[in-house]
Amino acid sequence: AQSVTQPDIHITVSEGASLELRCNYSYGATPYLFWYVQSPGQGLQLLLKYFSGDTLVQGIKGFEAEFKRSQSSFNLRKPSVHWSDAAEYFCAVGVTGGFQKLVFGTGTRLLVSP
Amino acid sequence: GAGVSQTPSNKVTEKGKYVELRCDPISGHTALYWYRQSLGQGPEFLIYFQGTGAADDSGLPNDRFFAVRPEGSVSTLKIQRTERGDSAVYLCASSLTFTAEAFFGQGTRLTVV
Repeated sequence: AQSVTQPDIHITVSEGASLELRCNYSYGATPYLFWYVQSPGQGLQLLLKYFSGDTLVQGIKGFEAEFKRSQSSFNLRKPSVHWSDAAEYFCAVGVTGGFQKLVFGTGTRLLVSP
Repeated sequence: GAGVSQTPSNKVTEKGKYVELRCDPISGHTALYWYRQSLGQGPEFLIYFQGTGAADDSGLPNDRFFAVRPEGSVSTLKIQRTERGDSAVYLCASSLTFTAEAFFGQGTRLTVV
C-alpha cells in the first residue's frame, strides 16, 4: 500500500536559518508528489508538486523540493526561514495520477525561533 | 465565491445523531474531494467526485458515511448514527481537473459528544 513517512514531528529553526523537512514515500510506480502547508485557521495550501521532468521543483514562498527516486524521498527545503513560515507541513503522494486521491503523511510542525 | 466554502465551520452533535456537512466548491470546478483529518494526523481520503458521480468512494470508512453532489456543484457529506470516533475536521477541496491544483476549504470541525 502507498504510504508517506515524515519522520520529524516537530522541528525548530532559527529565523534566517535554512530548513529541510524530510519526506519518504512508498509507491510502486512513478509517484506524483506534493507538499502542502497548513497554518492555524487556514486551509491546506499547495506549496509545490512533482509530476515528472526536472527532479528539483520550485514552489511558492521560496520553497523547493527534490525528488530522489533512489532514496524514495521528496524533501522540502528553504534557504532562509521567516517567522511567518511557522506552520504544519504535509507531504503527500498521489496514487492515481493527479490530485484525486492523495495519501498524506502525518505532518511536521515547524517552529521558528527569533 | 473566491474559494472553497464549507459550512458549518463547527458542529457539535450527540452520539447517534445524523449530521450533514456542506461543501461549496470554486465555481466551474468539476472535481471535488472529501478528506478527514483527525487530531495529530494528516488528511485521509474519503471520496472524490467528477461532476455528479462519485468516481471513487473507497475511503469512506463504513456505510454510515455517504456523500452526494446532485447538480455537480455543491456536495454534502452525510453521517448517520454518529460515533465519538467520527470526531475530526472534515476537509473539502475542488479543482478544474484532476491534474489541476486542488484548493482546500477551511474544513468543518465535527465533535461527537
